[in-house]
Amino acid sequence: KNEVEQSPQNLTAQEGEFITINCSYSVGISALHWLQQHPGGGIVSLFMLSSGKKKHGRLIATINIQEKHSSLHITASHPRDSAVYICAVRVSGGGADGLTFGKGTHLIIQP
Amino acid sequence: DTEVTQTPKHLVMGMTNKKSLKCEQHMGHRAMYWYKQKAKKPPELMFVYSYEKLSINESVPSRFSPECPNSSLLNLHLHALQPEDSALYLCASSQVRDRANEQYFGPGTRLTVT
Repeated sequence: KNEVEQSPQNLTAQEGEFITINCSYSVGISALHWLQQHPGGGIVSLFMLSSGKKKHGRLIATINIQEKHSSLHITASHPRDSAVYICAVRVSGGGADGLTFGKGTHLIIQP
Repeated sequence: DTEVTQTPKHLVMGMTNKKSLKCEQHMGHRAMYWYKQKAKKPPELMFVYSYEKLSINESVPSRFSPECPNSSLLNLHLHALQPEDSALYLCASSQVRDRANEQYFGPGTRLTVT
């Protein structure tokens, strides 16, 4: 079983729809990251969460530490939001550690 | 400046070649990372440097040789690679503190081994 599970794997929606992507993890973490990757491109960090909720523009990320679950929401979705959204966790511990990634959610927003 | 730069953007090399990938950041970060990403797969951690010292090596073959010459630079030296090593190689950096810190990713180097 992967330590980080995302759902759905693929999501196609119409422009303007409210989008939710879910992430569950099975290990103790010190932080959870939501990342965005466009086809053939590098990775952009959207959020880093250790508790609660964060909002940036049309993007909202929440995390429930007790339930080991996080969600990424996109309001008023737009075709430019089409990308792969990746949930990644930093397993508990100090210092510098790499991230453990989910398999990603491939989002397509149709005009 | 919140940018991580990587060069080259694309690299094609034969199995007998020696090449290097470069990564640079000027954010004062003391942790730097190499990840490998195959098509349609999530990134996989290869190496972590903390204060210019190798702290994590995720059982990567010796044909990949990392180097951190100073706090701003991270290299990945490549020698005698195999076609299955073709992938996107991503560099990232972060602060080193007790608490978790945001990782900043570079645009990647797309490597093709022929």
